[in-house]
Amino acid sequence: AQRVTQPEKLLSVFKGAPVELKCNYSYSGSPELFWYVQYSRQRLQLLLRHISRESIKGFTADLNKGETSFHLKKPFAQEEDSAMYYCALTRSARQLTFGSGTQLTVLP
Amino acid sequence: EAGVTQSPTHLIKTRGQQATLRCSPISGHTSVYWYQQALGLGLQFLLWYDEGEERNRGNFPPRFSGRQFPNYSSELNVNALELEDSALYLCASSLITGGGETQYFGPGTRLLVL
Repeated sequence: AQRVTQPEKLLSVFKGAPVELKCNYSYSGSPELFWYVQYSRQRLQLLLRHISRESIKGFTADLNKGETSFHLKKPFAQEEDSAMYYCALTRSARQLTFGSGTQLTVLP
Repeated sequence: EAGVTQSPTHLIKTRGQQATLRCSPISGHTSVYWYQQALGLGLQFLLWYDEGEERNRGNFPPRFSGRQFPNYSSELNVNALELEDSALYLCASSLITGGGETQYFGPGTRLLVL
């Protein structure tokens, strides 16, 4: 069965510090990985997807198939990055399997 | 472009009653997904509709059902409500492009079962 694990429920960093939100997955095959973000009082929205290999709002994520990880990174955190972050995967069945989420707080 | 809309925003029911939740996808999107976000359980896939047909369902009992209308809007019905059905129900619609599929989420319906 496919599974997404986000080991940290809560993560706090200071403004300007690097941040890394961890995501590990278990799936035998080639999944598609995503990071979704939910800012306070806003709806869940796509942040980035691994096939795009793009940087959004300074965030990047690299798919490491050997370690089955898709960690989200940003070199310099900003206060506006404070939000709930969900890692998710999908495969041919198309529905998303989500991790339990990490609440990121960027302190001033 | 209008996003995914859901109604109602809040719904209060008692045990044993039925609940109906509605979702309007983004114009042009033919797929609709339903997810449940219950406290402590995270986001779990419920149902997927595409072109009016149920394509897949998650690990939920049959009292969770739904349908998709010709205009691609969708309803989620929950029969014989139980206390543990209290949750935020999210709807997402999707568009497949050359870059793959992206699901766009609505604001959710918060269901409280008393």
